[in-house]
Amino acid sequence: DTGVSQNPRHKITKRGQNVTFRCDPISEHNRLYWYRQTLGQGPEFLTYFQNEAQLEKSRLLSDRFSAERPKGSFSTLEIQRTEQGDSAMYLCASSQYRGPNYGYTFGSGTRLTVV
Amino acid sequence: GNSVTQMEGPVTLSEEAFLTINCTYTATGYPSLFWYVQYPGEGLQLLLKATKADDKGSNKGFEATYRKETTSFHLEKGSVQVSDSAVYFCALPGGTSYGKLTFGQGTILTVHP
Repeated sequence: DTGVSQNPRHKITKRGQNVTFRCDPISEHNRLYWYRQTLGQGPEFLTYFQNEAQLEKSRLLSDRFSAERPKGSFSTLEIQRTEQGDSAMYLCASSQYRGPNYGYTFGSGTRLTVV
Repeated sequence: GNSVTQMEGPVTLSEEAFLTINCTYTATGYPSLFWYVQYPGEGLQLLLKATKADDKGSNKGFEATYRKETTSFHLEKGSVQVSDSAVYFCALPGGTSYGKLTFGQGTILTVHP
């Protein structure tokens, strides 16, 4: 088990471009989560999947953001028409859902810089 | 929804000093409580958790006790090391959904030799 893997680790893009991040969860985990973390703040929830179903989306997830988990394994997070305010660390986490008493395993994150 | 408040930081200590990082919460019911740690350049790692009132979570010399009366979950360590330098986050389930965790803003800990 190699843990939660995120790619790329760093992404620099020009404003207005589209970017896509990938997350590979721990293989037996059925839940996958996306969070955004800005400097000096805790992670903010964006969305989560149980298997391939997207069960909840935060109001933070504007129409420019879309996430998929097509086969219930890896997930992608796409940001269209990036803005400077999208610069942040995007964190993915996974868990084998057994109730609310269990924590997640996080990946190392993808740091996005919009210039 | 549920929320959590952490003490203002950063915290700077000398090696072997005693550490306390305060965390208080507002929640419906009695959710599990968590402390996560983020080392430089890495993702968050679960440090410890407590699932019910009066439970004490512990790991790597860190401890936190779930205090229902004071709605607190303060993190403590008796003797910190330089390697404990990191950002510490208090967290709890998001309330209306078991799918998400709500995090505090984080406390930066720096330990000097």
